Amino acid sequence: KQEVTQIPAALSVPEGENLVLNCSFTDSAIYNLQWFRQDPGKGLTSLLLIQSSQREQTSGRLNASLDKSSGRSTLYIAASQPGDSATYLCASLSGGYNKLIFGAGTRLAVHP
Amino acid sequence: EAQVTQNPRYLITVTGKKLTVTCSQNMNHEYMSWYRQDPGLGLRQIYYSMNVEVTDKGDVPEGYKVSRKEKRNFPLILESPSPNQTSLYFCASSLTWDRSYEQYFGPGTRLTVT
Repeated sequence: KQEVTQIPAALSVPEGENLVLNCSFTDSAIYNLQWFRQDPGKGLTSLLLIQSSQREQTSGRLNASLDKSSGRSTLYIAASQPGDSATYLCASLSGGYNKLIFGAGTRLAVHP
Repeated sequence: EAQVTQNPRYLITVTGKKLTVTCSQNMNHEYMSWYRQDPGLGLRQIYYSMNVEVTDKGDVPEGYKVSRKEKRNFPLILESPSPNQTSLYFCASSLTWDRSYEQYFGPGTRLTVT
């Protein structure tokens, strides 16, 4: 049974820092891995989708990598801004019909 | 604008009073699903639908019903809500059930059952 873990659970950084959020999964037979952002009281916004055949994806200041053999994905945020403050969730898709298995999330606070 | 919409966004109800949470997407997606989010338990899938008239249970289907009569709509029905169904509910959709596609989520419905 797939389990997804995110470390750290919470992170507070000053504006401008580059930071890395970690996601690990127990079943390496994943189809894809998706990173989401969740703002308080709001839905999930898809940030990046990495297919199992890919090693990384980039969108603006965000870069996500995937290493299936080690069961890990990282989300790199460059030059963090206060507007990046949110909870970041990773989710793997590894069996079943499009069922995403979510991690518990990393709550990020970027202070000016 | 491509989006998944849910209604209502907030709902307080009493035990046993039937309710429906609607979900609609305007992207012509075949696949739709429902998740609930609870503190300490994360997001868990309730039901999913691969296409019109095709639905199946997710991980936590007890106490819920769904129907998919039109491609764009996927309502979640609680026939007799109980306090343990107090949660934040999300509807999601993707182009097809094929695992290559990104999933899009609605804004969420916060349900409180007293």
